[in-house]
Amino acid sequence: DAGVTQSPTHLIKTRGQQVTLRCSPKSGHDTVSWYQQALGQGPQFIFQYYEEEERQRGNFPDRFSGHQFPNYSSELNVNALLLGDSALYLCASSLGQNGYTFGSGTRLTVV
Amino acid sequence: AQTVTQSQPEMSVQEAETVTLSCTYDTSENNYYLFWYKQPPSRQMILVIRQEAYKQQNATENRFSVNFQKAAKSFSLKISDSQLGDTAMYFCAVLFGNEKLTFGTGTRLTIIP
Repeated sequence: DAGVTQSPTHLIKTRGQQVTLRCSPKSGHDTVSWYQQALGQGPQFIFQYYEEEERQRGNFPDRFSGHQFPNYSSELNVNALLLGDSALYLCASSLGQNGYTFGSGTRLTVV
Repeated sequence: AQTVTQSQPEMSVQEAETVTLSCTYDTSENNYYLFWYKQPPSRQMILVIRQEAYKQQNATENRFSVNFQKAAKSFSLKISDSQLGDTAMYFCAVLFGNEKLTFGTGTRLTIIP
């Protein structure tokens, strides 16, 4: 049973560029949440997708957007990258309130 | 505001000893779920233990157990017979009614051989 898969594992982007991160949820899960984890910090909630719609959103600017596809996979897009966007981006999938299953994350470095 | 606080940035303990990690939270809700996650250098967040707020019995999972004090809004993790593989960051997290998992800032635990 595959867990949560994220791609790519690492990437380096230049300030001002755009980036797309991808997530495939655990089999049977229908909800995908995205988190940003700065170095030495706890994960911060970006947004959550359910039934292809953004169900709720954390305190992140509109430069952060997402999408969920009919197969429940999801993308996180970040436009106009800033140096401060450098972080580990975690995707988590869930079904109800049984807890979240996390992927290994994508390490984004903005230079 | 719903917040989760971990007041111990770092802890270390000798192998085979017992260690307790602290977590407090703030909410006006009555029904929620509490979790402890472990994050090793591999980065993946691994579920250690889960507790439903409506259950009075403390959850246990092998060497891991919790002390859940609902009135005090406290949720500590006890690791017994600690092993070298327990070395990791540990995050307390609470799933509130809005279904947003909120994390604390983490405790870096080091098990000393």
